[in-house]
Parts: sequence; structure tokens; C-alpha cells
Amino acid sequence: LAKTTQPISMDSYEGQEVNITCSHNNIATNDYITWYQQFPSQGPRFIIQGYKTKVTNEVASLFIPADRKSSTLSLPRVSLSDTAVYYCLVGDFHSGNTPLVFGKGTRLSVIA
Amino acid sequence: GAVVSQHPSWVICKSGTSVKIECRSLDFQATTMFWYRQFPKQSLMLMATSNEGSKATYEQGVEKDKFLINHASLTLSTLTVTSAHPEDSSFYICSARGATSGVYEQYFGPGTRLTVT
Repeated sequence: LAKTTQPISMDSYEGQEVNITCSHNNIATNDYITWYQQFPSQGPRFIIQGYKTKVTNEVASLFIPADRKSSTLSLPRVSLSDTAVYYCLVGDFHSGNTPLVFGKGTRLSVIA
Repeated sequence: GAVVSQHPSWVICKSGTSVKIECRSLDFQATTMFWYRQFPKQSLMLMATSNEGSKATYEQGVEKDKFLINHASLTLSTLTVTSAHPEDSSFYICSARGATSGVYEQYFGPGTRLTVT
């Protein structure tokens, strides 16, 4: 599985847009990029997944450049409740047995 | 989205005893289930992968005789921590994967907090 690199932590004020970038230089052709959110003492929650270009859903956007060696999770207008750890994962998740292997994640702190 | 449940949500046991944690996929059939362990302030660490009706595949460094995994049906997997010791105290999270319309999706349970005294 492609290894990922993310900033260890980020701080943001409420109402701001937060962009978390993930590097995955060794991404393979069949690999997708998936982001999860985790609150303390809870299981990870799926945020968004993409293969290329831009994906948007009701909570976030995912930007993937043409070379796919990085990706950026964009959270619009964050609130205090967005304080969590965000994980970027890369792999061929559409095959049955490939496990999701987590890196260190980015600890986002939203300040009032 | 699909729901994965775990039971119990937390458990305290004495050193030397065994503890069983259940993981259920409530509204889909999970062909593969994964077990993770997470220590405070750390990331999730994959322990093992299990397919229904097959023996689990353990990650390097995870003792298969200590962490017994059973995946007897498409909706249930269990993790038994045998002869638990204080260093086994951790947050255990299961994850279930299944295919809907040919696309695999993976969902995580809420986790089980194990404290060994």
C-alpha cells in the first residue's frame, strides 16, 4: 500500500476553510484516496473518496492533481465540532481483502 | 450508510482472564472483517484480516494464539483476548467490508475500550 504523509497537527478558527494535504508519491494505478475522521474513543468515520480531479459531497471536497501524488481535503467553514483526527488512506479498496492501513493522521483543532 | 456494531462498548477484566468482543454488520453482508487496536494518542494499528469461514490472517507481531478471531458468518466476527494482561488494555475497533452493486464499501464499528487490571 502507498505510504502517506500528512501534517501532524493543524489549528484553525471557527468559520474558516481548512485544507489538509496528503502526500502519496507511490500511489498505484488502481489506488483510490480515502479520508476518514475520528473523534476520541470512536471508530473512524468515512468522509470522502476519490480517484482523480475533484470530488465534493455535503461535508467536504477532495482535490487530486493530475499526477495523483498528493491530495487535499477541504473542509468549508469549520466549527468546533470538526475538531478531530483526519486520516488519509491510499489503496485498492475496491478489491475485497485489501485492508485500510492508517498513518499518523492530522490532528485538527478548531478554536472559537 | 451501513452500520457496524460492537459489543461490549467497554469492558474491565482482571489479569489472566479472557474477553470476547463481538463485531456485527447490521445491514449488509461482510465478506471481510478487520480488527484494529489503538493506544491513546496513536493511530489505528491493523491486527488481523478475516474472511467468513476462513482462518484469520494476522499482521506481523500480533500473536494469533492470544488474539483469537472467529468469522463464523457474514454478519459476525469475534475477537477473544486470551489471558489478558494490563498491556493489552487498549481501544479495539472492528471494520466490516462488503460489496453492494459490485463496489466494496468499508465501515467501522464504534470501538471497544478494554481495561485489564
